[in-house]
Order: sequence, then C-alpha cells, then structure tokens
Amino acid sequence: KAGVTQTPRYLIKTRGQQVTLSCSPISGHRSVSWYQQTPGQGLQFLFEYFSETQRNKGNFPGRFSGRQFSNSRSEMNVSTLELGDSALYLCASSLVIGNSPLHFGNGTRLTVT
Amino acid sequence: GIQVEQSPPDLILQEGANSTLRCNFSDSVNNLQWFHQNPWGQLINLFYIPSGTKQNGRLSATTVATERYSLLYISSSQTTDSGVYFCAGGTFTGGGNKLTFGTGTQLKVEL
Repeated sequence: KAGVTQTPRYLIKTRGQQVTLSCSPISGHRSVSWYQQTPGQGLQFLFEYFSETQRNKGNFPGRFSGRQFSNSRSEMNVSTLELGDSALYLCASSLVIGNSPLHFGNGTRLTVT
Repeated sequence: GIQVEQSPPDLILQEGANSTLRCNFSDSVNNLQWFHQNPWGQLINLFYIPSGTKQNGRLSATTVATERYSLLYISSSQTTDSGVYFCAGGTFTGGGNKLTFGTGTQLKVEL
C-alpha cells in the first residue's frame, strides 16, 4: 500500500508570492492533517480535514488555508509568503478522525527568499 | 493548551546499549503517539499508545495515563536508530485529532 505522498518535495518562492502544496493520503484514510516544522518552533499543527470539512485549526494566520477533496486528497495554500514561512510542511493521514495513528509523508521543503 | 516535555534532549549511545526516553504531559491526553524522524527528515509512526504497554521488535513503549507520562525503550541500539524521537499528545473532543509535539530527543548511536 502506498504511503502518504506530498508534492512537490522542494519549493523556492519569493516574499509576497503564494504557494500550494498537495497531499495524497494512504488509500482508505479519510483524515488529513498538516504540520509545520521549523528549527525554532518545532512541529506545529496547522489544520485537520475530514470528509472535506476542516475539523480543527492551529494558531496560524489566515494566510494559511487548506481544503480537502472528495477523494480525501488535500491541498494547503499559503498566500503573501513571508521569510518566516520557510519550513518543512508535513502532511499526515489517519484512517479515521480521532484516536488513530498518524502516518506522515516525506514533506515539502519550502524556502522563501 | 497541552505542554509536552521530553527528556533527555540529547543522547549518545554505543551500539548495543539500551535507553529510555521519557515524555511528560501537562494535562491528560487520550491520543498519544511516538515518532522517529530519521536523518533524511522522514517521520515514522512508532506507537499509538494512549495507555498500557506495546512492543515492536527492539522497541517498546509504556504509557501511564493517570500520571501523564510515557516511556519509550530502545534495546540493543543500532546506528539506524539514530535520529530524533518525538512524542505527541492530544485530546480528541469530537472536533479533531490535533497533536501537540514535544521538542524531541536527538539520539546518536555510535559504533
């Protein structure tokens, strides 16, 4: 069974631009979560989607948004990029929403210049 | 929100040694997981363990939910065990599966 797939693996953007990251969960998994990892702040929760609905949101500005499609694939968007948005963005899927193991993708490394 | 404290922050072992990593939570959690991030950045789920004890090969984990801590045991360590070990916890309230991660234990296993 294929794991969680994130695209692209690497991305370089300029301040002020916007970016869209994609995540395909493990087949059959219906919940998708997004996390940001930086050396200074560690791993921080962005948001979680289940059945195309955002079920939980972390403490990030409105520039960070996401969505989930009917096939459970998810995208996250960051608008008006700032230097501080440079990070590893990790997507995780789980079988159901709630208490089930999270399985992470390899991440998208975003660099903002 | 929940605070997650991991110890030790850094650990160097000789191959074959055993170790215990600890994770303390500031509040009760009903969703507790351990992860290993390898040197290439890949985050692997080791255990989903809100309570009790589980074993998987050379790794085992124990969570004492009433005392808000969890332990990860690594036996007969190998160089491939190197990386960062994270614990994460959360409370499912019907709204989602938000996990708060600890700052990790950086493990280096040497020959």
